[in-house]
Amino acid sequence: QQQVKQSPQSLIVQKGGISIINCAYENTAFDYFPWYQQFPGKGPALLIAIRPDVSEKKEGRFTISFNKSAKQFSLHIMDSQPGDSATYFCAASIDNYGQNFVFGPGTRLSVLP
Amino acid sequence: SAVISQKPSRDICQRGTSLTIQCQVDSQVTMMFWYRQQPGQSLTLIATANQGSEATYESGFVIDKFPISRPNLTFSTLTVSNMSPEDSSIYLCSVFSLNYGYTFGSGTRLTVV
Repeated sequence: QQQVKQSPQSLIVQKGGISIINCAYENTAFDYFPWYQQFPGKGPALLIAIRPDVSEKKEGRFTISFNKSAKQFSLHIMDSQPGDSATYFCAASIDNYGQNFVFGPGTRLSVLP
Repeated sequence: SAVISQKPSRDICQRGTSLTIQCQVDSQVTMMFWYRQQPGQSLTLIATANQGSEATYESGFVIDKFPISRPNLTFSTLTVSNMSPEDSSIYLCSVFSLNYGYTFGSGTRLTVV
């Protein structure tokens, strides 16, 4: 119940294309869904996050789509760039205080020039 | 978001020895955490570092192996004790705030030989 599933494990996209990463969860108590971006040799950095009271959130080229009934959420990267090449982790948390925080297994994105 | 300085950034250690990793935050934070990230894998929470009291460990992690100190609201240490090659991993310090979610340090890449 505490797991967050993430797919695909790896993704190769051409420059300018759309990258889509999907996550699914079981625990309906989750109420905070962030995405983290990690470059090699660096810690993960918060990219964008959503709460279940909205179905979509957009920040620049990054959009989270959230489907509460299906218990799924996804990250869309529009106009993907080689600089977006990184590992992306979805996560879920039960409360606002950082505890009960679960990460997905990660997606390694490669954007070809 | 908070700025986290983590030291050392990497180390190669002999089996049976111990390594202490330091985490310094540029502002007072309530919640500090230590994570482990094995190569190519997701993040696993080791423990919550509690200021002025014993850390709270997750299942599979024990104080004798991973003693943690948190003397104040800006500093914590994680010790990896009696190391074996299986402890080779990246260890990440993290803090949580309501505004910025999780912020991670750059991590300590540990290799045990």
